[in-house]
Amino acid sequence: QKEVEQNSGPLSVPEGAIASLNCTYSDRGSQSFFWYRQYSGKSPELIMSIYSNGDKEDGRFTAQLNKASQYVSLLIRDSQPSDSATYLCAVMVGSGGSNYKLTFGKGTLLTVNP
Amino acid sequence: NAGVTQTPKFRILKIGQSMTLQCAQDMNHNYMYWYRQDPGMGLKLIYYSVGAGITDKGEVPNGYNVSRSTTEDFPLRLELAAPSQTSVYFCASRPGSFRDKTYEQYFGPGTRLTVT
Repeated sequence: QKEVEQNSGPLSVPEGAIASLNCTYSDRGSQSFFWYRQYSGKSPELIMSIYSNGDKEDGRFTAQLNKASQYVSLLIRDSQPSDSATYLCAVMVGSGGSNYKLTFGKGTLLTVNP
Repeated sequence: NAGVTQTPKFRILKIGQSMTLQCAQDMNHNYMYWYRQDPGMGLKLIYYSVGAGITDKGEVPNGYNVSRSTTEDFPLRLELAAPSQTSVYFCASRPGSFRDKTYEQYFGPGTRLTVT
């Protein structure tokens, strides 16, 4: 069973702080990693993808990947109340036909307090 | 582009009724997916398709059927609805081929289904 684990939260941070969201995965063959943001009652929205070890930055978002530790994280700098949402970690195993499917974590609820 | 569209937005079914959830995309994506999301349970893959005429089961296919006669459309059929199928259903698609290494999936707005 390929699993993706996230702390369900809620994670509460003050406005302007750094929010750190974490995700671990069980399948060492995983090659592609994604962070989705989901506002209450809405569909998931892709915000970051990362394929290689290290950091990837996009605006206020930084994704970090450590394949040896089977760990991927998302940092949100200068957190805003509009960042309050559930953040879903998704992992794709890269080998043959299983490339077609993502496994999602249950999500971490982030609340940014003004 | 409209992206991924889903109809209806909301539906209430009685136990034993059937219905089809519609999904369409206008981005010429080969890959399409159906997920269900239950509160606090994350997204579970029901069925997926890698191109017109090709479909396969995901993690939770029981009680559902799909077809993919065109690149654009990927309807999900519920036969004999049960209360356990009360959920939010999302359709997603992604571009590219295996060689393109583009795996990002893009979601439709969802259908909220209640079976009573």
